Amino acid sequence: LAKTTQPISMDSYEGQEVNITCSHNNIATNDYITWYQQFPSQGPRFIIQGYKTKVTNEVASLFIPADRKSSTLSLPRVSLSDTAVYYCLVGMTVGNYQLIWGAGTKLIIKP
Amino acid sequence: ETGVTQTPRHLVMGMTNKKSLKCEQHLGHNAMYWYKQSAKKPLELMFVYSLEERVENNSVPSRFSPECPNSSHLFLHLHTLQPEDSALYLCASSQLAGGRAEQFFGPGTRLTVL
Repeated sequence: LAKTTQPISMDSYEGQEVNITCSHNNIATNDYITWYQQFPSQGPRFIIQGYKTKVTNEVASLFIPADRKSSTLSLPRVSLSDTAVYYCLVGMTVGNYQLIWGAGTKLIIKP
Repeated sequence: ETGVTQTPRHLVMGMTNKKSLKCEQHLGHNAMYWYKQSAKKPLELMFVYSLEERVENNSVPSRFSPECPNSSHLFLHLHTLQPEDSALYLCASSQLAGGRAEQFFGPGTRLTVL
């Protein structure tokens, strides 16, 4: 099973780009990498998903190197409202339900 | 609003009580999940239902008993819990089961076992 490792916490400032890296050394061939965001008193919310190389959507980018043993969530120009916990999830395609969540990275954005 | 609701939002129970957590999804999804979230630990997947059939049970103690009467509703029946079972219990749904599908989470039930 792929085990995911993330930094426990990170600080940054408004307007900066923030990069959060997740390590998943034992990722399997069919595993996808997904990132979620969680605010207090809420469930996690999907941010972005990828399999390899780079994926970009309206809120974030996800960089996955060729060996896929790590992934980096990039948040451009963060604001105070981006203060949250960010989780990396590694899981296989439909039919296998081994979903391995990271412990989460507490991101604090300062003014 | 994510389209997934959970009740109650908070629950305090003694070790000898029996209670149930309820989850309802309004998204037309075919898969539903129960997770346990304890402080400073990864989310722990407890159960997965796909098309109302249980497809995953991650060695969860029998004092937790899931029920999925239809694709929109999911229950977690609790009995003779231990204090270490105190946690946030999250329900999620997705179009299909598995890591490829985006999961939509409810707000969770904060459970305290005395």
